[in-house]
Amino acid sequence: ILNVEQSPQSLHVQEGDSTNFTCSFPSSNFYALHWYRWETAKSPEALFVMTLNGDEKKKGRISATLNTKEGYSYLYIKGSQPEDSATYLCAFISGNQFYFGTGTSLTVIP
Amino acid sequence: EPEVTQTPSHQVTQMGQEVILRCVPISNHLYFYWYRQILGQKVEFLVSFYNNEISEKSEIFDDQFSVERPDGSNFTLKIRSTKLEDSAMYFCASSEAVGLSYEQYFGPGTRLTVT
Repeated sequence: ILNVEQSPQSLHVQEGDSTNFTCSFPSSNFYALHWYRWETAKSPEALFVMTLNGDEKKKGRISATLNTKEGYSYLYIKGSQPEDSATYLCAFISGNQFYFGTGTSLTVIP
Repeated sequence: EPEVTQTPSHQVTQMGQEVILRCVPISNHLYFYWYRQILGQKVEFLVSFYNNEISEKSEIFDDQFSVERPDGSNFTLKIRSTKLEDSAMYFCASSEAVGLSYEQYFGPGTRLTVT
């Protein structure tokens, strides 16, 4: 079983602060990395699908980078807003299987 | 906006009973998945399904589990003889293309409680 780690487990930031968190995964047999945003009582929502080393993706105030050689991806949120409060999950795909991290729970305080 | 739906939202069953969890993927999607999340634990991949057959399954997906696409719209997960440890949230997902580099769209989940 492959180990996918996310840090920190939880994070509280003030509205307007920028923040980032990490997804660490095995550096071998990489196929893709997905980032999901999961609000309480809703379904996980896809944010980014990353496949190439050095990939950088952006959606509004949220961006992500990927380093497959060292086995990590960063998710950045610029100018956090209360509506950004959610759990952010990464999923490492290898051998046609998905391995999820435990998520980073973000709370943005107004 | 199209979405994945799942029924029921909550299923309570007795140990040893069979349950069928239902999903309606987004209509033009071709690749379907089941995941589960035991309370307080990670989301775990169970199975992927394409072209009317299983394309990949995890070690969790043993002989008590089966999946089926009985018609053009539904995608079901059957658990033949439920155990207490099958209690979890079960999520269905679909993606529009073959290949794990395409984003998945998740349903709201079915909470299964085995007593």
